Amino acid sequence: DAGVTQSPTHLIKTRGQQVTLRCSPISGHKSVSWYQQVLGQGPQFIFQYYEKEERGRGNFPDRFSARQFPNYSSELNVNALLLGDSALYLCASSGGGTVTYEQYFGPGTRLTVT
Amino acid sequence: AQSVTQLDSQVPVFEEAPVELRCNYSSSVSVYLFWYVQYPNQGLQLLLKYLSGSTLVKGINGFEAEFNKSQTSFHLRKPSVHISDTAEYFCAVRVSQFYFGTGTSLTVIP
Repeated sequence: DAGVTQSPTHLIKTRGQQVTLRCSPISGHKSVSWYQQVLGQGPQFIFQYYEKEERGRGNFPDRFSARQFPNYSSELNVNALLLGDSALYLCASSGGGTVTYEQYFGPGTRLTVT
Repeated sequence: AQSVTQLDSQVPVFEEAPVELRCNYSSSVSVYLFWYVQYPNQGLQLLLKYLSGSTLVKGINGFEAEFNKSQTSFHLRKPSVHISDTAEYFCAVRVSQFYFGTGTSLTVIP
């Protein structure tokens, strides 16, 4: 079975631009979470979606938004990019409900803002 | 507020030697605890988790960890490391969401 997939793998954007990152969960998984991992730090929680509804939000500005589609794939959007948004963005899927005990991570999208 | 502290940012160890990676957490409520490994240019892989029950949990690749509630610790151990264990290791707690530590870079020296 395929694991969590993310696209694109790398992305370079300019300050002020907008970006959309995509994630496909493991087949059968209904919950998707997004994390930001700045170089040298651990992942920081951004959003969790379950059954197309937002179930959790981390301490990120409104420039960050996400959605989940009927096939449980998800998109993370970031508007008005700042240099500080440069990071590895990780998507994780889990199978059971809104309570996620075991998450499976994708390889991430490396975003560079210049 | 929840926080996770990984006490060592870098741990060098010789091949076949034992290793301990330390993790402390702060929480006023019951937590679930996890260790993840991240190889270069890859996502995170779950090594082991503590949800309840026995405080000694065994994971993949010969790793184990012990939950100590009184010391609010969840240290990761392996009795004999291999070159392939060189990676970044993250401790995490789950309360309402996941909180990760800043990571420990384990380097196994031949």
